[in-house]
Order: sequence, then structure tokens, then C-alpha cells
Amino acid sequence: DAGVIQSPRHEVTEMGQEVTLRCKPISGHNSLFWYRQTMMRGLELLIYFNNNVPIDDSGMPEDRFSAKMPNASFSTLKIQPSEPRDSAVYFCASSPELAGTSEQYFGPGTRLTVT
Amino acid sequence: DAKTTQPNSMESNEEEPVHLPCNHSTISGTDYIHWYRQLPSQGPEYVIHGLTSNVNNRMASLAIAEDRKSSTLILHRATLRDAAVYYCILSYNQGGKLIFGQGTELSVKP
Repeated sequence: DAGVIQSPRHEVTEMGQEVTLRCKPISGHNSLFWYRQTMMRGLELLIYFNNNVPIDDSGMPEDRFSAKMPNASFSTLKIQPSEPRDSAVYFCASSPELAGTSEQYFGPGTRLTVT
Repeated sequence: DAKTTQPNSMESNEEEPVHLPCNHSTISGTDYIHWYRQLPSQGPEYVIHGLTSNVNNRMASLAIAEDRKSSTLILHRATLRDAAVYYCILSYNQGGKLIFGQGTELSVKP
């Protein structure tokens, strides 16, 4: 079975450009999470969805960040405009349901470099 | 959100058991204890979770203190492939939200 799929795996862009990260969750999973990982701040939860509806976006750092989930099999995280401090590895994860007992399955991540 | 405290790093020898401790003194009655690990250059991977009773699966065992203020992840025979950062996380009440701390970096010596 395919796991969580993220694209691109690597992205290098210049400051000020728009960046779009993509995620395909595991089929049948109802919840989707976006995380960001840096050496300084570790692994941070940015936003999560349940049944395609955003539940908590309190981790989104600024208005430059936005996330959508137009259907159960696709989500995007957009940064516009990008800044060097956005350089990080961005992970998408999905889980069967939004519950304390649910496991999250992580994708391989997108390594973003903003120059 | 309830917090967890873990040692920054631990060392183990290959084929020996490893006990990774975690303190969570502010845990609430409905919080589940989750363990994830992150191998180098990979996304985090689920290991095990529990509520009150000890739990076993093919990867590890989870021992939970009677007062639930601490837990221990047990790898019965460490291999070189177990070298990773191990995160102890309390689920966000019943909402499934996970807040990762700094974790314990486990190194395994041959």
C-alpha cells in the first residue's frame, strides 16, 4: 500500500517567490496534519484537518502560510511570499481518525530551501 | 497541553535491551501516551501507544507507571537500525493532536 505521498521532495526557491507543497494522504484516512521541522525549533504542528475541514491552524506562523484540503485525497501548503527563515523540512501526516488512539503516518517530507 | 520530559541522549550496545524513560507528571486522565521515532532523514514513525496498562507490539513494549506520571519504552534487543530520535508524546485530550518535544537521541554501538 502506498503511504503518505509528498511532492516535491526538494524545493529550492528565491525569497519572495510562492511555494506550494503537496500531500496525498493514505486512502481512507480522515485526518491530515502539516508539520515543519528545523534544528532550532524541532518538529512543529502547523495545521490539521478532519474530514477536509481545518480544525486548528494556531501553529501557522504567519499570514504568509495557508493550507487547503479540497478533497479527501489532496492537500496543499502554500507560502507566499517565501522568506529564508521558512527553510525547513515540511512533513505531512495522515491518520484514520482524529482521536487520542489514532496513529499518524508520516510522509517522507519536503525539504524547502529559500535563498 | 501536558508536557513530557526525556533525556536528550542515550547510548546502547547492539543486541542489549534499551529502556527509554519519559516523565509526564501533568498528564490528564484522558491523555494517551504515544511513542514515535525518527530515523535519520526520514519522517517520524509510530512505535506504540497506551493509556494505563502496559502494551506490547512487534516493535517495542510500553511500561506505564501506576500513577501514569511516567512511562518507559523498552526495545528488547537493540539493533543498529534502532538508532533514532525517540519522542514521547501525550495526545491532546481526545483530539488526536500530537505535540512533539525534543526527544531522546538513541545511539547504538556495535
